[in-house]
Amino acid sequence: AQSVTQPDIHITVSEGASLELRCNYSYGATPYLFWYVQSPGQGLQLLLKYFSGDTLVQGIKGFEAEFKRSQSSFNLRKPSVHWSDAAEYFCAVGAREYGNKLVFGAGTILRVKS
Amino acid sequence: NAGVTQTPKFRVLKTGQSMTLLCAQDMNHEYMYWYRQDPGMGLRLIHYSVGEGTTAKGEVPDGYNVSRLKKQNFLLGLESAAPSQTSVYFCASSYSRTALNTGELFFGEGSRLTVL
Repeated sequence: AQSVTQPDIHITVSEGASLELRCNYSYGATPYLFWYVQSPGQGLQLLLKYFSGDTLVQGIKGFEAEFKRSQSSFNLRKPSVHWSDAAEYFCAVGAREYGNKLVFGAGTILRVKS
Repeated sequence: NAGVTQTPKFRVLKTGQSMTLLCAQDMNHEYMYWYRQDPGMGLRLIHYSVGEGTTAKGEVPDGYNVSRLKKQNFLLGLESAAPSQTSVYFCASSYSRTALNTGELFFGEGSRLTVL
């Protein structure tokens, strides 16, 4: 069965520090990979996505993610975190073979301390 | 563009009551989805639709029904609400039917349902 694991439930970083959120997946097909962000009381907004090609993808708000097939990972990174980045982040995986239904990880809550 | 709109935003029900959540999208998307979000469990797919007049079960369909009578609308119904259905419900849509389909979802802002 397809699954997505986000090992960290909560992460706290200082403003200006670097950030890495982990995502591992188990999928039987060539995956599409996504990171979404959810601010309190809001819906989910797409940060970035990977389908093929360059394994380092750039997204909005200064985020990037790297696809590592050998590790089945798609970790999200940001060089310098801003207080407004405090939110919950979801990794999601889909595949055309599975009707493009996305499977989501449990989410990682990011807290930013000043 | 309004994108994906969900109504109502909040609702409190008593056990056994019924209700319907409405999702409307104005992007001419073929695919529509209903997810529920529970703490520590991410989003889980309840039902989805690949086009007008079609619906299919997702990961957690029990206790819910859906209908897609019009392409732009996707309704989620609870016939007899239970406390276990207390959750935040998200509707999403995506474009499909081409080789360029990427599965990217566009989400509504969510509907918070409490069943007492």
